[in-house]
Amino acid sequence: DVKVTQSSRYLVKRTGEKVFLECVQDMDHENMFWYRQDPGLGLRLIYFSYDVKMKEKGDIPEGYSVSREKKERFSLILESASTNQTSMYLCASSLHPLLYTEAFFGQGTRLTVV
Amino acid sequence: KNEVEQSPQNLTAQEGEFITINCSYSVGISALHWLQQHPGGGIVSLFMLSSGKKKHGRLIATINIQEKHSSLHITASHPRDSAVYICAVSPGGGADGLTFGKGTHLIIQP
Repeated sequence: DVKVTQSSRYLVKRTGEKVFLECVQDMDHENMFWYRQDPGLGLRLIYFSYDVKMKEKGDIPEGYSVSREKKERFSLILESASTNQTSMYLCASSLHPLLYTEAFFGQGTRLTVV
Repeated sequence: KNEVEQSPQNLTAQEGEFITINCSYSVGISALHWLQQHPGGGIVSLFMLSSGKKKHGRLIATINIQEKHSSLHITASHPRDSAVYICAVSPGGGADGLTFGKGTHLIIQP
């Protein structure tokens, strides 16, 4: 079974802190994604990566950056956390550029910024 | 950009009922995904389909590419089916992630 593992289920951080959310997948997938999920808005794409050291902005990249130094690991970075970044964050991976390939999701990280 | 609409937003039914959740999208796609999210957040992929129909246990997913519409059916529903069901579409080309519907919150009462 493909496993996508996010480093934390729940996280509480202070405004202004630098926050790292880690995601690891164990199936050698090319593509990895970070989404955030908010009530009434559904899931929205923050950033994605289709190869090591490659990254592309999604729909809502402002306030975030990402790092993909190794194929299996994709990190989401909140440079200076703000309260409007309180959300559920979901990582996903897929084998190929999302054409006819299934996406696998992590269990989610619920981040609260106080 | 693709717009993905799901209906209904909320659905409460009795155990044993036949459930239908609908999804429509505005632009041609390469594939459509049905996802299930239980309380606690984790998302599980139920189906990925690009044409026709797929069945897995009590779950059936259909897609009509011409009409840009898909349905998820649950037969003999059970309280453990209570979850949020999310429709998502893969773009017609390029690797820019999924576009999601807002989800259908399903509650099956015993």
